[in-house]
Amino acid sequence: QKEVEQNSGPLSVPEGAIASLNCTYSDRGSQSFFWYRQYSGKSPELIMSIYSNGDKEDGRFTAQLNKASQYVSLLIRDSQPSDSATYLCAVITSGTYKYIFGTGTRLKVLA
Amino acid sequence: DTAVSQTPKYLVTQMGNDKSIKCEQNLGHDTMYWYKQDSKKFLKIMFSYNNKELIINETVPNRFSPKSPDKAHLNLHINSLELGDSAVYFCASGGTGNQPQHFGDGTRLSIL
Repeated sequence: QKEVEQNSGPLSVPEGAIASLNCTYSDRGSQSFFWYRQYSGKSPELIMSIYSNGDKEDGRFTAQLNKASQYVSLLIRDSQPSDSATYLCAVITSGTYKYIFGTGTRLKVLA
Repeated sequence: DTAVSQTPKYLVTQMGNDKSIKCEQNLGHDTMYWYKQDSKKFLKIMFSYNNKELIINETVPNRFSPKSPDKAHLNLHINSLELGDSAVYFCASGGTGNQPQHFGDGTRLSIL
């Protein structure tokens, strides 16, 4: 089992819809979770960090964390074509503080 | 001011050559990282230094040697380059513990 799993996509949503991106992780002791956005040919850019169970909102983005289910998600409301990118989930493993990235989900927002 | 800068942006070279990539951060972070992103876009950690000390050394061929002269710099030297080394190499820096990382723009390495 991979340490951090994401559906590779592409996930296609129409402009204005809600895009839902999911990530599961295997290390039950993990405490820190991040979502990065990576445009083609560019570097990963931090969008959200979340450390506690529940929802965390920042503008059109909402991160959701459920440690019991080992699941973290990112919702993008009112999706725009400019949101089209690969979204990477990252988890810091317990003990070693090592960042583990998922393989990313490619999102396409259709105008 | 660029927070994490790495040079060069592109590196095209032949098999068997030796090359270096440099990275500098001005964020005051203690920890710096090297990642490799392959053609399938999987981002894999290679090395991590905390205040000039190596703390993460993943299963990477010993042709790859990181060097950290001070906590603001982390360079990557690669000996005897192979075709499979073609990838984008990202430098990143982060605070200690559970803080997020910030990435440089990447170095696209192409081996002919």
